[in-house]
Amino acid sequence: DIVMTQSPDSLAVSLGERATINCKSSQSVLYSSINKNFLAWYQQKPGQPPKLLIYWASTRESGVPDRFSGRGSGTDFTLTISSLQAEDVAVYYCQQYYDTPYTFGGGTKVEIK
Amino acid sequence: EVQLLESGGGLVQPGGSLRLSCAASGFMFGSYAMGWVRQAPGQGLQWVSVISGTGGSTHYADSVKGRSTISRDNSKNTLYLQMNSLRAEDTAVYYCAKDLTGDCLGVFDFWGQGTKVTVSS
Repeated sequence: DIVMTQSPDSLAVSLGERATINCKSSQSVLYSSINKNFLAWYQQKPGQPPKLLIYWASTRESGVPDRFSGRGSGTDFTLTISSLQAEDVAVYYCQQYYDTPYTFGGGTKVEIK
Repeated sequence: EVQLLESGGGLVQPGGSLRLSCAASGFMFGSYAMGWVRQAPGQGLQWVSVISGTGGSTHYADSVKGRSTISRDNSKNTLYLQMNSLRAEDTAVYYCAKDLTGDCLGVFDFWGQGTKVTVSS
């Protein structure tokens, strides 16, 4: 199974400041023949189901604010919130869909400092 | 508007069975793969199973393989998860989720609110 490791476990950022979450996979999730990374990011607010933010490592889902961006390739990925808003308080998960079993990272809790 | 409504959760004794259902609306159900993802209390997300839009392809997490069966009725726009030989570690909120494509891509763009399963004596 591909193990997804996120860091940090939690972070506190001031409103308007940048938040960066890291995700590392135990093996590459880049499908080189199509040059696509099979990596997605989800946001989960308390008491709510997860919400898809980004897939193919950097493609923003429709309706997701452009302050959310994803980058990386192979085994190392980041999710950046360029200017943290109060409504961004949540747990963020990365997920690989390169192979089954699809696996999620342990989550990163983002709070307001 | 896409809607996914899970049902069938509840309290069950170890070794028991449950069938979860997910009623879908607002999209061409048979054109999309569907999956189940669970979340144990206070824990992260764990993928459980996925089925293609036609129902011809299914995949399972090792933790449920052999004990669970995913299925769908495209005429009823409904997804199912039959779970047998339930264990305490199956206790979780089970989310039904829509895949981005008809094949089992594994990216879930819409999620239901979840149904809670508690396995306890």
